[in-house]
Amino acid sequence: EAQVTQNPRYLITVTGKKLTVTCSQNMNHEYMSWYRQDPGLGLRQIYYSMNVEVTDKGDVPEGYKVSRKEKRNFPLILESPSPNQTSLYFCASSPGQGTNSPLHFGNGTRLTVT
Amino acid sequence: DQQVKQNSPSLSVQEGRISILNCDYTNSMFDYFLWYKKYPAEGPTFLISISSIKDKNEDGRFTVFLNKSAKHLSLHIVPSQPGDSAVYFCAASGWAGNMLTFGGGTRLMVKP
Repeated sequence: EAQVTQNPRYLITVTGKKLTVTCSQNMNHEYMSWYRQDPGLGLRQIYYSMNVEVTDKGDVPEGYKVSRKEKRNFPLILESPSPNQTSLYFCASSPGQGTNSPLHFGNGTRLTVT
Repeated sequence: DQQVKQNSPSLSVQEGRISILNCDYTNSMFDYFLWYKKYPAEGPTFLISISSIKDKNEDGRFTVFLNKSAKHLSLHIVPSQPGDSAVYFCAASGWAGNMLTFGGGTRLMVKP
């Protein structure tokens, strides 16, 4: 089944403890991106990648890192999480020229930082 | 400042009637517009899109209208069904297609 898989679905952690949220897609998509969803703000783009080894900042990149060593994987890294990073996170991929082709989203990772 | 705004956080309509969801944007460089639908505990799914060279796109019960001079787009669902109850996000992209800007979402409730 074609899908974007994020892990874990739920994560509770403490301030400053490094964490990684994994994202994998099995559709051979070139474009991948990360979003966070907060009430009233919709989804805001954190980072995106147009291809392997090519990543760039979105609207809210502060406090996050990403890497794209392989086409299928695009992990999101929080080196030192803080409570304002408590949010619902979505990974997405796209088959075509980035965001002008419909994005396929994962089911989300709900992160709580205490 | 939000470049894409959905001013109605929620909308309630009766089954069989028309649902109209609205979206306004400020950036005249946006070239492509999309609507996504989101059910609880799932990721958003693509619904319908429209390019800036068009003013209307239709797909079954869903029609998106674009008014570039007013920087406004709307999604019409006719007839509305209870299964359409979800949060709807409009989104906009520039010609480069590298970044997507979302509105805050509108929760649609279709009552049987």
